[in-house]
Amino acid sequence: AQKVTQAQTEISVVEKEDVTLDCVYETRDTTYYLFWYKQPPSGELVFLIRRNSFDEQNEISGRYSWNFQKSTSSFNFTITASQVVDSAVYFCALLNTGGFKTIFGAGTRLFVKA
Amino acid sequence: DTAVSQTPKYLVTQMGNDKSIKCEQNLGHDTMYWYKQDSKKFLKIMFSYNNKELIINETVPNRFSPKSPDKAHLNLHINSLELGDSAVYFCASSQTSGRVIQYFGAGTRLSVL
Repeated sequence: AQKVTQAQTEISVVEKEDVTLDCVYETRDTTYYLFWYKQPPSGELVFLIRRNSFDEQNEISGRYSWNFQKSTSSFNFTITASQVVDSAVYFCALLNTGGFKTIFGAGTRLFVKA
Repeated sequence: DTAVSQTPKYLVTQMGNDKSIKCEQNLGHDTMYWYKQDSKKFLKIMFSYNNKELIINETVPNRFSPKSPDKAHLNLHINSLELGDSAVYFCASSQTSGRVIQYFGAGTRLSVL
């Protein structure tokens, strides 16, 4: 069975703090994709990153970075020097290659206070 | 030009009514989806269509009937609306080969009174 667990329901930080959002997944497949999406208060779902199971390189995009570790089935997301605009719900998701069903985690609500 | 557009954005209706939500994508994708997001923000897939064919139906009540007239459109019709249908419904699309990233519409907030 496939599963995505985001154990942190809510996180609150003060602006400029670094924050890491955890994501642990379960799948029996050897080939799959992992994603992060952002849902700001306005409600839309914004794609942030895709990682395939063969590529364990970490990725950095501006203040965002992602740490993919197959050995622990984790795909964690770090925001460096957080800003109020980062306040949102963040979803981690899993898709098996050739599949049509993306499984989403329950989301982590991030509050960044000024 | 919006990539995945769904209408209406808000839908307020009485129990027992029938309503439809429309979705269109201009990304040239071959797969489209409907998701339901409940009040706790949990996102669950309802349907997936690939090249106009139903691929996934996640034990959704048969009051919900998706229709895909072509690859660019996936509409959702709901009969006999119930209070528990109140949620935000998202349409999404993706290409099954290549980037496989799902792009979402802005959502339709359905309130059943």
